[in-house]
Amino acid sequence: AQSVTQPDIHITVSEGASLELRCNYSYGATPYLFWYVQSPGQGLQLLLKYFSGDTLVQGIKGFEAEFKRSQSSFNLRKPSVHWSDAAEYFCAVAAAYSGAGSYQLTFGKGTKLSVIP
Amino acid sequence: EAQVTQNPRYLITVTGKKLTVTCSQNMNHEYMSWYRQDPGLGLRQIYYSMNVEVTDKGDVPEGYKVSRKEKRNFPLILESPSPNQTSLYFCASSFRPSSAGARYEQYFGPGTRLTVT
Repeated sequence: AQSVTQPDIHITVSEGASLELRCNYSYGATPYLFWYVQSPGQGLQLLLKYFSGDTLVQGIKGFEAEFKRSQSSFNLRKPSVHWSDAAEYFCAVAAAYSGAGSYQLTFGKGTKLSVIP
Repeated sequence: EAQVTQNPRYLITVTGKKLTVTCSQNMNHEYMSWYRQDPGLGLRQIYYSMNVEVTDKGDVPEGYKVSRKEKRNFPLILESPSPNQTSLYFCASSFRPSSAGARYEQYFGPGTRLTVT
């Protein structure tokens, strides 16, 4: 079964500083990777996704993520953080299993981002 | 507007009183899923459905039931709620993943905050 680890529970950065949120996954085949953001009191919004091809993917709100197979990582980055980026961020890995027709999306436990004005 | 809706958004109930949380999507998605979100645990999948009349257990199915009689609806049923089911619940939907890949992103509803006393 697949798993996702987000090592940082809580990160605080100053507005305008760069940001990197870490995500490590465990999955035997090619992973399908996602980053979601959850603003306070809101549902989850997709930031970006990786399926194949270019290992650097661009998302909404100025975010990007880089897939590194050798490190089993999919870290999220933003060059300059805005106060409105304060939220909780979830990394997820999806796997489809042939034959059984099953599918599972597994989330990390999340990283809460605080932004100092 | 493409969306996933959940009702109710907030619910306070007592132990043992059966309840249903409804979920509906208007995107003609085959796949639907329920998650619960708890502090420090991230999102955990309760049940999912690959299509009408096809449902399967996720990681934490105990105490929950689901049904999928129509493509657009996927209600979550708690036959005898207990305090440990106090949580934030999310419904999600996507196009049907296949063995060729789980490439489709999931769209999330706004969440239902359930308190069982």
